[in-house]
Amino acid sequence: AQSVSQHNHHVILSEAASLELGCNYSYGGTVNLFWYVQYPGQHLQLLLKYFSGDPLVKGIKGFEAEFIKSKFSFNLRKPSVQWSDTAEYFCAVKNQAGTALIFGKGTTLSVSS
Amino acid sequence: NAGVTQTPKFRVLKTGQSMTLLCAQDMNHEYMYWYRQDPGMGLRLIHYSVGEGTTAKGEVPDGYNVSRLKKQNFLLGLESAAPSQTSVYFCASQGMDYGYTFGSGTRLTVV
Repeated sequence: AQSVSQHNHHVILSEAASLELGCNYSYGGTVNLFWYVQYPGQHLQLLLKYFSGDPLVKGIKGFEAEFIKSKFSFNLRKPSVQWSDTAEYFCAVKNQAGTALIFGKGTTLSVSS
Repeated sequence: NAGVTQTPKFRVLKTGQSMTLLCAQDMNHEYMYWYRQDPGMGLRLIHYSVGEGTTAKGEVPDGYNVSRLKKQNFLLGLESAAPSQTSVYFCASQGMDYGYTFGSGTRLTVV
């Protein structure tokens, strides 16, 4: 079965530090990949998505992700985090049938000011 | 505002009680979903629907039923609630760009 792995469960950074969150997926065919963010007490919001084309995808709030097919990875990056980036981040992949998203278990990011 | 609306936002049930969670979207989306979110488990798909009158099982369907009688509504039912169903439930609908729009969630506690 398809799966998504997020290796970092909790990441703690200081403001202005650089961020990279890992995401690996199991399916080897054509993939649609997503990163969602959930701020405390809120619902999930889409950060960015990849369907095809340029493997470096830019999203909202200065986030970007790179699709590396050979590594089955879609890591999320941000050059300089802010306190307001404190949230939980979820990587997701569309299932093979194309009917639903499969989510990773999430990574909690805590940014101290 | 266009979006996904979930009701209720909070609910406490006793073991064995039943309830229905309502999800409504006004974006004319075909696909709708129910997920549950538990600490350390991420979001797990309960049931989904690819159009009015259709439903399908997801990863964790046991103990839940759903109905999609109208395109804009997707109902999630618990016939006999159990403490293991204590969770936060999110409804979502999928737009043409394959991105999901999520509702604000329902926090359910079963005692």
